[in-house]
Amino acid sequence: KAGVTQTPRYLIKTRGQQVTLSCSPISGHRSVSWYQQTPGQGLQFLFEYFSETQRNKGNFPGRFSGRQFSNSRSEMNVSTLELGDSALYLCASAQVPNTEAFFGQGTRLTVV
Amino acid sequence: GQNIDQPTEMTATEGAIVQINCTYQTSGFNGLFWYQQHAGEAPTFLSYNVLDGLEEKGRFSSFLSRSKGYSYLLLKELQMKDSASYLCAVPLLSGGGADGLTFGKGTHLIIQP
Repeated sequence: KAGVTQTPRYLIKTRGQQVTLSCSPISGHRSVSWYQQTPGQGLQFLFEYFSETQRNKGNFPGRFSGRQFSNSRSEMNVSTLELGDSALYLCASAQVPNTEAFFGQGTRLTVV
Repeated sequence: GQNIDQPTEMTATEGAIVQINCTYQTSGFNGLFWYQQHAGEAPTFLSYNVLDGLEEKGRFSSFLSRSKGYSYLLLKELQMKDSASYLCAVPLLSGGGADGLTFGKGTHLIIQP
């Protein structure tokens, strides 16, 4: 079956702009979580959704938001982009929370 | 809060055995995950330990001691393709249960011929 699909794979944005990233989980998976990965901080948890409800949120400013649709697809949005938001954004899906998670290839965001 | 420590980098020889350690502090415990991440690729699941002891899966084994807040990943018969980062992670505990993972910064394993 198809894996986790993230679009777009690469993105270049200017400071102050906003961006929306998309994640399609594995069919049948209802849990979607998002992570930011940078060389200095490693993988950091952004938020997790299960059955369209945000169950947990990491320590990120309110500029970072997300949602999950009834088909389990998820989007995350970052508003008023800053240079420090440049990172690899990874989405992971699981059948239910706290079980084996499968990661997508990520979206590489560069803010200039 | 939660904290995870693992060595930044390790070097080992092809065909040998290497042990990657992970220590964690968490207010509650709901299992420990190990992931492998090759450069430029997504992390892939290796193991999940929730009870004390050793879990073996082919060349890879993972050990957990909940009383010591300690886990290790053991890789046997090392191959060049095992060169990757190995990430230790524990579930984040929220009011509704365990949602999301706290990751260590990863151990970059270099395999030499």
